[in-house]
Amino acid sequence: AQSVTQLDSQVPVFEEAPVELRCNYSSSVSVYLFWYVQYPNQGLQLLLKYLSGSTLVKGINGFEAEFNKSQTSFHLRKPSVHISDTAEYFCAVYNNNDMRFGAGTRLTVKP
Amino acid sequence: DAGVTQSPTHLIKTRGQQVTLRCSPKSGHDTVSWYQQALGQGPQFIFQYYEEEERQRGNFPDRFSGHQFPNYSSELNVNALLLGDSALYLCASSLQGILGYTFGSGTRLTVV
Repeated sequence: AQSVTQLDSQVPVFEEAPVELRCNYSSSVSVYLFWYVQYPNQGLQLLLKYLSGSTLVKGINGFEAEFNKSQTSFHLRKPSVHISDTAEYFCAVYNNNDMRFGAGTRLTVKP
Repeated sequence: DAGVTQSPTHLIKTRGQQVTLRCSPKSGHDTVSWYQQALGQGPQFIFQYYEEEERQRGNFPDRFSGHQFPNYSSELNVNALLLGDSALYLCASSLQGILGYTFGSGTRLTVV
C-alpha cells in the first residue's frame, strides 16, 4: 500500500516570501499525486495534481509542484505567499481507487 | 452545480450511542469515500462505496459501516461510540479517482 510523509508539520513564513512544503511518497507501483488545502472548519480543496507528462504542475492560487520520481517526492512551492495562504496543506497519493493523505503541514504566513 | 453536501454539520453524542452521517455527492459523481480526521491530523480512509457496494476499506473496526443508495448518496454509521471517535468526518465524491476527489465540509462529531 502507498503512503505519504510530509516532512514539516509547521512552516512559518513572512508575507511575500517564497515557501516550499515537502512531501515524499512510497509506493511499489505508479501513482498519481495531489495537493489539497484545508481552511479552518472546512473540507479539503484540490490545489493541483500530477497524473503524467510534465513533472512541473501548476495549480490554483499561484501554487506549483514538481514530481521527482527518483527521489519519490512531490514538493509544493509558491514564489510569494499572502496572509490568505495560511491554512493546512495535505499531500495525497492515489492508486487503484485508494487515496491516502499525509499528516499535513500547517502554513502560517506572518505580516 | 452543488458540490458535496454533508449533514448534519455538527453532532454531539454520548458514549455507547449510534450515529448516522449523510453525504450527497457532487452531480455526476458515482463514487463516495469516507474519511475520519482527528484534530491536528490528516484524513484517515474509512471506506469507499461504488455501485452500492463497499469497494475498499481502511483500518477501521466493524463498528463503522456504510451504505450507498441508487442515487449515489451515502451514509456512514458508527455503533457503540467511543470518546476516540470524536473527529471531523469527511465525505468525498469522485467519478474517476485520478481526476481528484471533491470534499464536503464535513460533520464534526463530538462524543461525550
